Amino acid sequence: IAGITQAPTSQILAAGRRMTLRCTQDMRHNAMYWYRQDLGLGLRLIHYSNTAGTTGKGEVPDGYSVSRANTDDFPLTLASAVPSQTSVYFCASSEEGGGQETQYFGPGTRLLVL
Amino acid sequence: GQNIDQPTEMTATEGAIVQINCTYQTSGFNGLFWYQQHAGEAPTFLSYNVLDGLEEKGRFSSFLSRSKGYSYLLLKELQMKDSASYLCAVREGDYKLSFGAGTTVTVRA
Repeated sequence: IAGITQAPTSQILAAGRRMTLRCTQDMRHNAMYWYRQDLGLGLRLIHYSNTAGTTGKGEVPDGYSVSRANTDDFPLTLASAVPSQTSVYFCASSEEGGGQETQYFGPGTRLLVL
Repeated sequence: GQNIDQPTEMTATEGAIVQINCTYQTSGFNGLFWYQQHAGEAPTFLSYNVLDGLEEKGRFSSFLSRSKGYSYLLLKELQMKDSASYLCAVREGDYKLSFGAGTTVTVRA
């Protein structure tokens, strides 16, 4: 069982370029999330999806977009990358949203925008 | 919105006990989670509290007081492999988790 996979593992990107970070889960979880993690700031929610076909904004959505065409995939797109988007990006999923349902995290994508 | 505070760093000796405190302010509390994150890796789930009291899971315990907006994670019989960051996270509503900045625990021999 793979759990959650993310691609690429790391990327160096020129400012102004478009980039899509991929996230796939094989646990048939309904809810999926994108976070960024920066030193001293912890994990911050970018966007989330309660179920296929729906998405919502998190704490820091500006400059990012997501789509949820099916249960398994939740790509994150940077339309025009800026240096402040240099970060480690984690995708996560949970079976449902409430109760004891914990979020399971992917291995992360390390992005450097120059 | 959320305001979650936890200490930045803690150091302890192998075999000892360490307590990591977390205080929070929220308008719609719906559970508190603790995650462990080793350097360069993804966070992994440790514990969940939604009612007041202590939850024990092996060497790790987590406590919650909703009236005080306070939780702690207790790590007993520390091992070298426990050196990691520990993240306190509060859920507001059904889906959104807000994380503290994390506490880096260093275990020394």
